Amino acid sequence: AQSVTQPDIHITVSEGASLELRCNYSYGATPYLFWYVQSPGQGLQLLLKYFSGDTLVQGIKGFEAEFKRSQSSFNLRKPSVHWSDAAEYFCAVVGTSYDKVIFGPGTSLSVIP
Amino acid sequence: KAGVTQTPRYLIKTRGQQVTLSCSPISGHRSVSWYQQTPGQGLQFLFEYFSETQRNKGNFPGRFSGRQFSNSRSEMNVSTLELGDSALYLCASSLSGPQETQYFGPGTRLLVL
Repeated sequence: AQSVTQPDIHITVSEGASLELRCNYSYGATPYLFWYVQSPGQGLQLLLKYFSGDTLVQGIKGFEAEFKRSQSSFNLRKPSVHWSDAAEYFCAVVGTSYDKVIFGPGTSLSVIP
Repeated sequence: KAGVTQTPRYLIKTRGQQVTLSCSPISGHRSVSWYQQTPGQGLQFLFEYFSETQRNKGNFPGRFSGRQFSNSRSEMNVSTLELGDSALYLCASSLSGPQETQYFGPGTRLLVL
C-alpha cells in the first residue's frame, strides 16, 4: 500500500541548531516528492519538491532535502534554524498527474530561543 | 497574482445539515484539489478536478461531493453532516495536476455541532 511515514511526531531544537526531519515512503515507483510547511491557522506552503535529477534539492527559506532511492527516504534539512521556522512540516508523495496526493502525518517543530 | 481563496473561512453547522464550500484557484490554474485536515486523521485527499472533470477521489463516503466550473472555480458539498466532519478543509490549485506545485488556500474551518 502507498504510504508516507514521518517517524518524529514532535521535534524541539534550539535556535541556530541544525535540523533534520525524516520522511519515508512506500510507493510502487519513484513518486514525485514534496515538503510542505504549515504555520498555525494557515494553509500549506511548498518548501521544495523532487521529480528527478540531482538528489539534493534546494528549497525556500534555506531548506534542502535529499532523496535516497535505496532507503525510500526524502529527509528535510536546514543548517541553522530560526524561531520563525516553528511550524508543522508535511512530507507528501504523488504518482502520475491523475494520482492522489498522500501526506505524511506531519512533524511539529518547536524552536527554543 | 491573487492566491487561492476559500469561502467562507469559518462555518458552524449542526448535524444533519449540508454545507457548500467554495474555492477560487489562481488565475490560469485548471487543477483544483480538496483535502480534509483533522487532528486524528491528518491531511486526507478528497478529490481533484481538472477542466470540470473529477479525475480522482479519495476514500470518503458519497456524502462528500464536488464540482468544478468552466472558470476553474470549485465547490465541495457535504450532505447530512456528522460530528466527525468537523475539520479544516483545504483547497489547492495547480496548473495541470497535483504532481506540480500546488498552492493552498487558507482553508475553511467547519465545526459541526
